Amino acid sequence: DTGVSQNPRHKITKRGQNVTFRCDPISEHNRLYWYRQTLGQGPEFLTYFQNEAQLEKSRLLSDRFSAERPKGSFSTLEIQRTEQGDSAMYLCASSLGWGADTEAFFGQGTRLTVV
Amino acid sequence: AQKVTQAQTEISVVEKEDVTLDCVYETRDTTYYLFWYKQPPSGELVFLIRRNSFDEQNEISGRYSWNFQKSTSSFNFTITASQVVDSAVYFCALSDVSSNTDKLIFGTGTRLQVFP
Repeated sequence: DTGVSQNPRHKITKRGQNVTFRCDPISEHNRLYWYRQTLGQGPEFLTYFQNEAQLEKSRLLSDRFSAERPKGSFSTLEIQRTEQGDSAMYLCASSLGWGADTEAFFGQGTRLTVV
Repeated sequence: AQKVTQAQTEISVVEKEDVTLDCVYETRDTTYYLFWYKQPPSGELVFLIRRNSFDEQNEISGRYSWNFQKSTSSFNFTITASQVVDSAVYFCALSDVSSNTDKLIFGTGTRLQVFP
């Protein structure tokens, strides 16, 4: 399967613990996005990578959040000292090209539950 | 500010009925792109259509059709002869062309339930 892959699919963690999610985009896709989706809402933008460079971070991304995309391949999203408000679905998307008309392909997401 | 509004939170229909999902957007950009995505229970967002602001022609793809009206800032989606497999959450989205990211701004989604 050559779609966007996210791991793990589900994560339950205790408040205060650190968690890390991984996203493997479609091969050769230069653009990678992280979104967060809470229950009953649409996805909200978190951060964007163009190849290995992180070019934009949303105000939603507090200092406890960090994302990387080493060598412009897979990406990781880490949340430190998790809080109950971090419970959400974290979606990764990738696309190829440079224009606003490029189609973004989404992974199945990682559902985080903080207890 | 850019915004997408999907006023219908949930719609229930019986199989074979036609259903229209509404989408209203706000943007100051003169060139922009609109999208519809489907999110089945598995969680993955599935791309359905992309439309640029210069193309106001309606589009039909099988049982799906889209009505883009710039004058009312609307991009509505109609499913003809709905089927149970159409049950999902549908999102309308606007690309943020003013940034270098072209990130998507999503509406809150419309949950469609099609009953047999």
